[in-house]
Amino acid sequence: NAGVTQTPKFQVLKTGQSMTLQCAQDMNHEYMSWYRQDPGMGLRLIHYSVGAGITDQGEVPNGYNVSRSTTEDFPLRLLSAAPSQTSVYFCASGGQGVGAYGYTFGSGTRLTVV
Amino acid sequence: GIQVEQSPPDLILQEGANSTLRCNFSDSVNNLQWFHQNPWGQLINLFYIPSGTKQNGRLSATTVATERYSLLYISSSQTTDSGVYFCAALSGSARQLTFGSGTQLTVLP
Repeated sequence: NAGVTQTPKFQVLKTGQSMTLQCAQDMNHEYMSWYRQDPGMGLRLIHYSVGAGITDQGEVPNGYNVSRSTTEDFPLRLLSAAPSQTSVYFCASGGQGVGAYGYTFGSGTRLTVV
Repeated sequence: GIQVEQSPPDLILQEGANSTLRCNFSDSVNNLQWFHQNPWGQLINLFYIPSGTKQNGRLSATTVATERYSLLYISSSQTTDSGVYFCAALSGSARQLTFGSGTQLTVLP
């Protein structure tokens, strides 16, 4: 049981490049989310999904796209990378019992945009 | 949306000391999670505690939902307890987490 798997762990992009951060979970969870963490700050919600085919924006969605074609996968796309998107990105998933058992987080992707 | 505030922002302890971290939230919540972010950046679940008290070894947590706060107690601290402690409130129909800004804990040998 791998839990929440994020790839890659590290990435360097040039300004204007696009890329996809991958997130997969094997727990059959309905809820999945993407967060970014900037130095000295807590995590801020980018996009989230409450089930396959359903996504919505969080607190800081600009510059990012998501889709949820399967229960297991929730990729985050950077359309045209900017230095302001340099951050650590975390993916999380939670099941129907999220109110009792909470969310499980991946190990993060450290992204640098130069 | 819900606001989550943590205090203190920074805490330095000698090994063996006890500490209390506080998390205030502005509205009713479905759940409250405490995390430890270790020096390698990993987020480790400590507790999910919408109300009441839970204990796990030297750590315990109490949430008083009616008064909108939660406390994390660390007893007999060790250097491996160092890192950032986050609380996060689960709320809303979309069941999403809102994080506080964290408490940076440093335990000195």
